[in-house]
Amino acid sequence: KQEVTQIPAALSVPEGENLVLNCSFTDSAIYNLQWFRQDPGKGLTSLLLIQSSQREQTSGRLNASLDKSSGRSTLYIAASQPGDSATYLCAVPANQAGTALIFGKGTTLSVSS
Amino acid sequence: DGGITQSPKYLFRKEGQNVTLSCEQNLNHDAMYWYRQDPGQGLRLIYYSQIVNDFQKGDIAEGYSVSREKKESFPLTVTSAQKNPTAFYLCASSIWGETNVLTFGAGSRLTVL
Repeated sequence: KQEVTQIPAALSVPEGENLVLNCSFTDSAIYNLQWFRQDPGKGLTSLLLIQSSQREQTSGRLNASLDKSSGRSTLYIAASQPGDSATYLCAVPANQAGTALIFGKGTTLSVSS
Repeated sequence: DGGITQSPKYLFRKEGQNVTLSCEQNLNHDAMYWYRQDPGQGLRLIYYSQIVNDFQKGDIAEGYSVSREKKESFPLTVTSAQKNPTAFYLCASSIWGETNVLTFGAGSRLTVL
């Protein structure tokens, strides 16, 4: 059964720092991988989607990479800002047909000004 | 604007009572999902539905029930059989087969008194 793990569980950085969030998955036969952002008490917002054939995706200051063979993905945030403070979750489809997503527990990021 | 509406945002329940959480979408999405989130935990799938009048159990379906009588609506009932129902409940929808194009509602927080 696919399992998704995120490290670290929490991270605190000063404003302006570049940082990396990690996501690992046990079954490398994934269809794609997605990163979400969740603000406290809110729903999830999709940030980046990486298809299995891709190595990385970029959106503004965010860059997500995917290494299927090692079962890992990273989310790189450049020049962090206090507004980046949130919980970041990664997720992969439960199977090739993509019936539902399996989520990691998330990394809670705090950026201080 | 298209989106997903969950109600109520906050709900309190006495032990032994059933409660129903509403989820409505106007995105014309085929698939709808219910996830449960506990503090410091990722999202766990309760139920999902691919089409009207059809739904499938997720990883933690015990103590919950759903219906899908209309494409736009996917209500979740938390029954008295659910032993630990206090949690944050998230509804999502997608075009079937494109699970990563998930749109989430703002969530409903259920507290058992």
